[in-house]
Amino acid sequence: DGGITQSPKYLFRKEGQNVTLSCEQNLNHDAMYWYRQDPGQGLRLIYYSQIVNDFQKGDIAEGYSVSREKKESFPLTVTSAQKNPTAFYLCASTYPEGAGYTFGSGTRLTVV
Amino acid sequence: SQKIEQNSEALNIQEGKTATLTCNYTNYSPAYLQWYRQDPGRGPVFLLLIRENEKEKRKERLKVTFDTTLKQSLFHITASQPADSATYLCALDMGTGRRALTFGSGTRLQVQP
Repeated sequence: DGGITQSPKYLFRKEGQNVTLSCEQNLNHDAMYWYRQDPGQGLRLIYYSQIVNDFQKGDIAEGYSVSREKKESFPLTVTSAQKNPTAFYLCASTYPEGAGYTFGSGTRLTVV
Repeated sequence: SQKIEQNSEALNIQEGKTATLTCNYTNYSPAYLQWYRQDPGRGPVFLLLIRENEKEKRKERLKVTFDTTLKQSLFHITASQPADSATYLCALDMGTGRRALTFGSGTRLQVQP
C-alpha cells in the first residue's frame, strides 16, 4: 500500500544537539511538506518542496533545514538554533497541486 | 493580514444530530478549500475539497458549503456518531504565492452517545 512513513515516532533531543526526522513516501508525489503542531494549535508550515533539489521556507523555517535529493524523501533537521523544538512534526505529500494532502503519522520531538 | 478562523471552543452534540463546523477566512479569495479530520496523536486525514465555483459538495454523511461572498465554509456531519469525535481542520491556499496550504487551528467535535 502507498503512503508516507515518518520515523521515529518519538524522539528525544538534548540541548545543543541536531536531530533529523525522516519522511519517505511511495506515492510518486512531487510535492512534500513539513508542518509543526503545538498542543491545541493548528499546523504551521516549516518547509516545502515542489520538485527534487528545490525547496522553500514556510512561516517558521528558522532553526530548521531540509534536503530533497530524491523524490521519495524529504528529511527535516532540527538544529540547535531552534530554541523551542518540542512539538509534533508532520510530513505530507500531494499531487497534483490543489489535491488533498496525505500525511504521515508524525514524530513527537521532546527536548530533555 | 490573512487569517483562517475556526471556533476554538469544542462542539458537543448528541448522537444522531447534525454537527456544523465553521471556517472563516479574511482578505483573500482562495481557489479551493479543504477539510481534514485529525485524531489525537495522528496525522490529519483529507476529507473533502471544494472549489470556488462550487456551492456545495457531499460525500456520504459529509457536506461542505463554500460562500465566497461571506468568506466562509460550513462543514456538516449528518446523523453523527461517537466515532465522528475528532478535531476537524480547514485549510486553504492563502494566495501569498506560496504553494502550500495554510491550516486553521481546528474545532474539536465530541459526539455523545
